[in-house]
Amino acid sequence: DSGVTQTPKHLITATGQRVTLRCSPRSGDLSVYWYQQSLDQGLQFLIQYYNGEERAKGNILERFSAQQFPDLHSELNLSSLELGDSALYFCASSSGTSVLDEQYFGPGTRLTVT
Amino acid sequence: EDQVTQSPEALRLQEGESSSLNCSYTVSGLRGLFWYRQDPGKGPEFLFTLYSAGEEKEKERLKATLTKKESFLHITAPKPEDSATYLCAVQAWDNAGNMLTFGGGTRLMVKP
Repeated sequence: DSGVTQTPKHLITATGQRVTLRCSPRSGDLSVYWYQQSLDQGLQFLIQYYNGEERAKGNILERFSAQQFPDLHSELNLSSLELGDSALYFCASSSGTSVLDEQYFGPGTRLTVT
Repeated sequence: EDQVTQSPEALRLQEGESSSLNCSYTVSGLRGLFWYRQDPGKGPEFLFTLYSAGEEKEKERLKATLTKKESFLHITAPKPEDSATYLCAVQAWDNAGNMLTFGGGTRLMVKP
């Protein structure tokens, strides 16, 4: 158990809909990262937040957005969903206080868009 | 752009048959190279961080090594419970955050 929690575990929704994925980092970790894992693309970095502020952005679509709240939990919002958005979405956390931080991953949310 | 390539894509071993997984990387300045293990339907589990060429780290039957162009994950006398996908990732000095760039992974199957 990495200490990172994600909810829900599974999500099935229809095209065009909007969903919110939630992540709670390990106790004491200030950085939260979101990754998308699909069969054809592998594990792709989406976005990083550090102590409430956006720190880095990867290949995140404009239909997707995220935020980190004062209690450090984070939410990833996916809107106008398409079939191609079906994937595993992972959250990871790290202390964010040193130059090189190991990232610890949550169990993921499996999103299926029908 | 940072690139990570892992080979082979899949590897079948008999229990006790040692082997190595390869991770080749291209990055402007390597801050760190990470190895993760991922079981089906689960999140990646952190294994090792390597910082500089020549560094080696060990954990049970696994040993990770690093050169200026690649890293190897050596598996000695593997057991069926070592079956998983092994992911390699790099972190570069030139990105503002701490994002990881992952390779495609090597799917390891160890048969009893």
